[in-house]
Amino acid sequence: QQQVKQSPQSLIVQKGGISIINCAYENTAFDYFPWYQQFPGKGPALLIAIRPDVSEKKEGRFTISFNKSAKQFSLHIMDSQPGDSATYFCAAIFNQAGTALIFGKGTTLSVSS
Amino acid sequence: DSGVTQTPKHLITATGQRVTLRCSPRSGDLSVYWYQQSLDQGLQFLIQYYNGEERAKGNILERFSAQQFPDLHSELNLSSLELGDSALYFCASSVEGGVFDEQFFGPGTRLTVL
Repeated sequence: QQQVKQSPQSLIVQKGGISIINCAYENTAFDYFPWYQQFPGKGPALLIAIRPDVSEKKEGRFTISFNKSAKQFSLHIMDSQPGDSATYFCAAIFNQAGTALIFGKGTTLSVSS
Repeated sequence: DSGVTQTPKHLITATGQRVTLRCSPRSGDLSVYWYQQSLDQGLQFLIQYYNGEERAKGNILERFSAQQFPDLHSELNLSSLELGDSALYFCASSVEGGVFDEQFFGPGTRLTVL
């Protein structure tokens, strides 16, 4: 019930294309849904986040779409660039005895030039 | 640079041994989290501290323990190490440990158990 399921496991996109990563959850008590980006040899870093009462959030080339009734959310990377090549993790968090991030398994994105 | 520091960067040890991983949170952050990253389990939450007090426990083994000191740095102690404990261990910190507070991750400590 506390899982966050993420797909696909890996993704190859051409430069300039749209990258789409999907996540699904079961626990309706989640309060916040952040996405983290991780480059090899580095720790994850917050990319963008959304609250469940919002259907879409856009920051530059990155957009989160959120479907509360379907318990699904997705990250769209527009005009994907080689510098976007990284591992992306969706996560969920709720305030019950702590505020741990519950991560999806991650998606490794490769943007070919 | 997130402002979170972790030492050591790499640690190689043998089964049965005990190690200590250290984390210094960002200046002013009161909450510290520990996460384990492995190929098969992904990123998993271990434990959270807020201002020196344990706030939440996740999938942390009984062989593992942690604490947060008065100066807010934290240590994760791993004992009776097994091969399966080989992983990246990340520390993260946030201002107040709130739901909407960004968690800033350190560069991690790579533990290899031989």
